[in-house]
Amino acid sequence: ILNVEQSPQSLHVQEGDSTNFTCSFPSSNFYALHWYRWETAKSPEALFVMTLNGDEKKKGRISATLNTKEGYSYLYIKGSQPEDSATYLCAPVRAGNMLTFGGGTRLMVKP
Amino acid sequence: GAVVSQHPSWVICKSGTSVKIECRSLDFQATTMFWYRQFPKQSLMLMATSNEGSKATYEQGVEKDKFLINHASLTLSTLTVTSAHPEDSSFYICSARDQGEELFFGEGSRLTVL
Repeated sequence: ILNVEQSPQSLHVQEGDSTNFTCSFPSSNFYALHWYRWETAKSPEALFVMTLNGDEKKKGRISATLNTKEGYSYLYIKGSQPEDSATYLCAPVRAGNMLTFGGGTRLMVKP
Repeated sequence: GAVVSQHPSWVICKSGTSVKIECRSLDFQATTMFWYRQFPKQSLMLMATSNEGSKATYEQGVEKDKFLINHASLTLSTLTVTSAHPEDSSFYICSARDQGEELFFGEGSRLTVL
């Protein structure tokens, strides 16, 4: 079982603030890393699937970077909006194409 | 994106009864589906991989006789919690892959065993 740490556990920001959070995972036997956004009362939704060291992906105001050598990924949100409020989950992929989820970072954006 | 539907969203049952949760892929065929469980303030934990037409693959520590998984068609997997007890109360959620690498999740089912 992989040890996946996400920090912080929760985060309160003001609308318009930019924010970032971290996903740490074992760097050995790395296959890929997934990021998901999970809004309350909805299904988790895929944001990014990242595979290469140094990868940077962007979707609107959300971007993510990946460092496979040191085992971490950052998720950035530029100019947070109330609709960005959600729990953000990361999940490295282990052998057999299985995902191991971190505990998530719960983001709350105040208008 | 692909849609996965899970039912029921909420279920309350008496201790000792069995509960069935359904997971359907609505617009794609899923040869493999995944079942996760989440206890309060913990991460999603993979319970088992459901394989269409064959036996499910259970993660270590998950009792296969307790959590029966059936994947009889390419669009439906069911999880039956047999002889449920209060410690089985949890949030259960399924997912599946379409053609890419990302997972598509159901809405989840919250089980409360009295």
